[in-house]
Amino acid sequence: KAGVTQTPRYLIKTRGQQVTLSCSPISGHRSVSWYQQTPGQGLQFLFEYFSETQRNKGNFPGRFSGRQFSNSRSEMNVSTLELGDSALYLCASSTRDHEQFFGPGTRLTVL
Amino acid sequence: AQSVTQLDSHVSVSEGTPVLLRCNYSSSYSPSLFWYVQHPNKGLQLLLKYTSAATLVKGINGFEAEFKKSETSFHLTKPSAHMSDAAEYFCVVSDKIVRGSTLGRLYFGRGTQLTVWP
Repeated sequence: KAGVTQTPRYLIKTRGQQVTLSCSPISGHRSVSWYQQTPGQGLQFLFEYFSETQRNKGNFPGRFSGRQFSNSRSEMNVSTLELGDSALYLCASSTRDHEQFFGPGTRLTVL
Repeated sequence: AQSVTQLDSHVSVSEGTPVLLRCNYSSSYSPSLFWYVQHPNKGLQLLLKYTSAATLVKGINGFEAEFKKSETSFHLTKPSAHMSDAAEYFCVVSDKIVRGSTLGRLYFGRGTQLTVWP
């Protein structure tokens, strides 16, 4: 099976812009979670989608949003980018036994 | 609430010597625990998982971990380090698992950077 894929792998944006990141889960996985990784805060949970519904949400401002499509692919959007949003954004898809498989991540740099 | 404490931010060992990466957890439920590894500029790879079966869990690449409820610990070990083991390791506890479904939130420790000297 193909693994979790994330596009794009690298992004450079400027403050105030918005960005959309995409994640394609492993075939058959219906749950997709997003995480932000920074040197200062480590790995933090953003949100989880299951069957097109947001099931769980972390402590991030409303500028961070996401959605999931009927084919389980997911997107996350960050509006009004700030310098502190520079991070590696990781997507994970999971099986019924809760094992999460991570993609390679999207490296976002905000200038 | 779930949380994880990795007791060492950096561990250095010589190739061929044992590895011990320490992790303590806090969970309101019977926890599911994981160890993930991250090589530079790569995503996270699952090493092993504990989900209330055997307390000694064997993973990939010769790693294993022992769940000790009385000590709330889940330390990762390997008998003999290899140069390719140099990476960052994360101890992780999951949110409550509901029968027939999963809740996808993972709580990560701050990571332990493992250096392996030749």
